[in-house]
Amino acid sequence: AQSVTQLGSHVSVSEGALVLLRCNYSSSVPPYLFWYVQYPNQGLQLLLKYTSAATLVKGINGFEAEFKKSETSFHLTKPSAHMSDAAEYFCAVSDNFNKFYFGSGTKLNVKP
Amino acid sequence: EPEVTQTPSHQVTQMGQEVILRCVPISNHLYFYWYRQILGQKVEFLVSFYNNEISEKSEIFDDQFSVERPDGSNFTLKIRSTKLEDSAMYFCASSVGQGSYGYTFGSGTRLTVV
Repeated sequence: AQSVTQLGSHVSVSEGALVLLRCNYSSSVPPYLFWYVQYPNQGLQLLLKYTSAATLVKGINGFEAEFKKSETSFHLTKPSAHMSDAAEYFCAVSDNFNKFYFGSGTKLNVKP
Repeated sequence: EPEVTQTPSHQVTQMGQEVILRCVPISNHLYFYWYRQILGQKVEFLVSFYNNEISEKSEIFDDQFSVERPDGSNFTLKIRSTKLEDSAMYFCASSVGQGSYGYTFGSGTRLTVV
């Protein structure tokens, strides 16, 4: 069975500060892992994905995530937050790409 | 960039009424999906559809739900007799195949049952 846990339903950072959004997964098989972003009243936009190639994955808008099998984690980071990064972020896992299992989401607030 | 289009963006319906949510997947995609997100909760898988039949469905997808690809472009989700607890954001998605390539979500339809 697949599942995802996102620690922290709300994260607040200052503009220019490091963004760290946490995701831990549970999977019975080698997982495919994803981060999606949802801006208000919009759909789910893919930020990045891990599909068993490099463990450090770079995505759009300066985000990256590192797959750590020993920690069953796939945390999302960005070195310097921008006001436009304010959104809700979802971690997701899939074993076969037929369906995704999403975390509860983390709302990122960026303070000026 | 190709998009998955969902209509309407918002729908309000009376409890007990039938509702049809519409999706236009990306034109060369062959796999289609519906997910829902109840306010404040996780995005949950409902159903996947390929070759004009359901390939997988979740426990949520009971007899009240049905999906259809009535023509070459639309993919619909029908809820036969809506309940208050059906109020949610419904997302359509499509993909080229069962792989990571091109799995794309639409903007969603917010369904409110009153």
